[in-house]
Amino acid sequence: GAVVSQHPSRVICKSGTSVKIECRSLDFQATTMFWYRQFPKQSLMLMATSNEGSKATYEQGVEKDKFLINHASLTLSTLTVTSAHPEDSSFYICSADSGGSYNEQFFGPGTRLTVL
Amino acid sequence: AQKVTQAQTEISVVEKEDVTLDCVYETRDTTYYLFWYKQPPSGELVFLIRRNSFDEQNEISGRYSWNFQKSTSSFNFTITASQVVDSAVYFCALSGGESQFYFGTGTSLTVIP
Repeated sequence: GAVVSQHPSRVICKSGTSVKIECRSLDFQATTMFWYRQFPKQSLMLMATSNEGSKATYEQGVEKDKFLINHASLTLSTLTVTSAHPEDSSFYICSADSGGSYNEQFFGPGTRLTVL
Repeated sequence: AQKVTQAQTEISVVEKEDVTLDCVYETRDTTYYLFWYKQPPSGELVFLIRRNSFDEQNEISGRYSWNFQKSTSSFNFTITASQVVDSAVYFCALSGGESQFYFGTGTSLTVIP
């Protein structure tokens, strides 16, 4: 099946620094990628939808200047958390839409961000 | 509006018991897809099943079975003869015309040996 990777799998950073998370579709091209955030014991909340070559669409309440998304190619989307604060500590998951007829998204393994 | 409700927040069962996880959804789309995912402590989502809105056939895969009923907008998941390895959080999700996923709040299942 289709594989989506995320890097890094875990990151710890100091407050005020920026962190970049990469999401790659390894064996298929993804015109659309999605970024989710999951706080402990909560559900996945969609942050933004990213289309290759265009600006990301952010969900209500998600700061676009804080969570920068770039989808430069059909296999790579990046999420940069700028000026991270402890409240940004969370589990970030990306998914990629293969464009098939079943609305299936393939999820990455997630990145656990801890901001000290 | 699209919405998925998993009313059971936490369930505990003793090993070998059967357990059913409930999922109720709301959508205005006529074509939509329903999914179940398992999330073990590692965090990675494990795909279990996809069902489209035109296929109400129930499905069985080993110890897993799914009951899809459009009349009640439900897509319930049953694990037969539960095992400790089944302990995880299970998410039901809905995807409609926009291909965006709407996740339920998840049900945390603990299987006690």
